[in-house]
Amino acid sequence: EVQLVESGGGLVKPGGSLRLSCAASGFSFSNGWMSWVRQAPGKGLEWVGRIKNKADGGTTDYAAPVKGRFTISRDDSKNRLYLQMNSLKTEDTAVYYCTTVPQRPEYWGQGILVTVSS
Amino acid sequence: QSALTQPASVSGSPGQSITISCTGTSSDVGRYNYVSWYQHHPGKAPKLIIYEVSNRPSGVSNRFSGSKSGNTASLTISGLQAEDEADYYCRSDTSSSTLYVFGTGTKLTVL
Repeated sequence: EVQLVESGGGLVKPGGSLRLSCAASGFSFSNGWMSWVRQAPGKGLEWVGRIKNKADGGTTDYAAPVKGRFTISRDDSKNRLYLQMNSLKTEDTAVYYCTTVPQRPEYWGQGILVTVSS
Repeated sequence: QSALTQPASVSGSPGQSITISCTGTSSDVGRYNYVSWYQHHPGKAPKLIIYEVSNRPSGVSNRFSGSKSGNTASLTISGLQAEDEADYYCRSDTSSSTLYVFGTGTKLTVL
């Protein structure tokens, strides 16, 4: 059974940092490109960023609102995906999903809530 | 990169068909045949129901179909069922630095 389980969310003050983790199982994590997608309260889905697999260079790309503040990384030995979020703003408050977008089969985690508030 | 435009809400009765539009530009929907559609029940993980404009993943009902004309993609759900009530999002590749753009989302109500 494929599982993507996010962890590390919670409440953080504006300007603070948080690292999300996504534990993957049931599929070949090391071969896949992975993305983070978020959904702010009452809003739609928003792509955050993507990391390629090592064979394709392991490079990252980010959406404009998070570029320079967020960093995606992966540890294939642990089947884990990470999202390091720095200089957090109130508008970063959202449920963050770990997903295999854009690859198929496409899998999504259940999401983890990040709240940025003073 | 602006979100793709979808109607905020659509509704239909059981057994009817509905269509949700997803309007972009020549830099996204009009440029690529990489349009996907998602069904999202609140509190759950989004579920891919259409990829590459009109393809269904294994296990997705053939009541869901997709198409595209110019800068607008469409999702049609036929034979509406109560469990179809959910939020629906389109997604497209884009030539901008934000590689993937989602639609604004459509709330489907089954009357």
